[in-house]
Amino acid sequence: SAVISQKPSRDICQRGTSLTIQCQVDSQVTMMFWYRQQPGQSLTLIATANQGSEATYESGFVIDKFPISRPNLTFSTLTVSNMSPEDSSIYLCSVGGTGPRPNYGYTFGSGTRLTVV
Amino acid sequence: AQKVTQAQTEISVVEKEDVTLDCVYETRDTTYYLFWYKQPPSGELVFLIRRNSFDEQNEISGRYSWNFQKSTSSFNFTITASQVVDSAVYFCALSGRNTPLVFGKGTRLSVIA
Repeated sequence: SAVISQKPSRDICQRGTSLTIQCQVDSQVTMMFWYRQQPGQSLTLIATANQGSEATYESGFVIDKFPISRPNLTFSTLTVSNMSPEDSSIYLCSVGGTGPRPNYGYTFGSGTRLTVV
Repeated sequence: AQKVTQAQTEISVVEKEDVTLDCVYETRDTTYYLFWYKQPPSGELVFLIRRNSFDEQNEISGRYSWNFQKSTSSFNFTITASQVVDSAVYFCALSGRNTPLVFGKGTRLSVIA
């Protein structure tokens, strides 16, 4: 399965600023996914990022707040814009799918733990 | 719409006890995939297993076993002879063919020595 390098691993940011999170994959992948995990909660999908097209956002998430870039098949960034304390969460990228190998699944980056003060 | 329900929010067991984590799912897809992930206190998500909708064979991997029953839309996870290192949050998740995962709320398992 793919290996994902996600940066930064954590950050403390001032409200009103923006943070860009990067995910680098060791192989070419068609789809990348971005999730948010609020404290003590489950994972919620923010958007799906395909190379060469605009990201598809889930209900409750908008491009102005969470712009995503996907310049090639191994890299993507998520920006959290104009941050407020409510944006304090773990953000994770994911790749993978449901290929024919029986235990092929979705791999996750190690996460970015964001605290907004 | 797809939905995953993990009714057990927190479970606490004494080491060496067996524990079963429940997962019930809803989907209209005829082909779908079920997953279990472990999230230890360090925060990373560890893939445990994937089960396809067309394969109801149960699986055992060491102390872990999974019981998939389409008739009850359940995909339960049992840890036999639990250990302190099993303490984590466990997520059940569902996807269609190459679609994003939908996660349950997770079950926090605490294994006490």
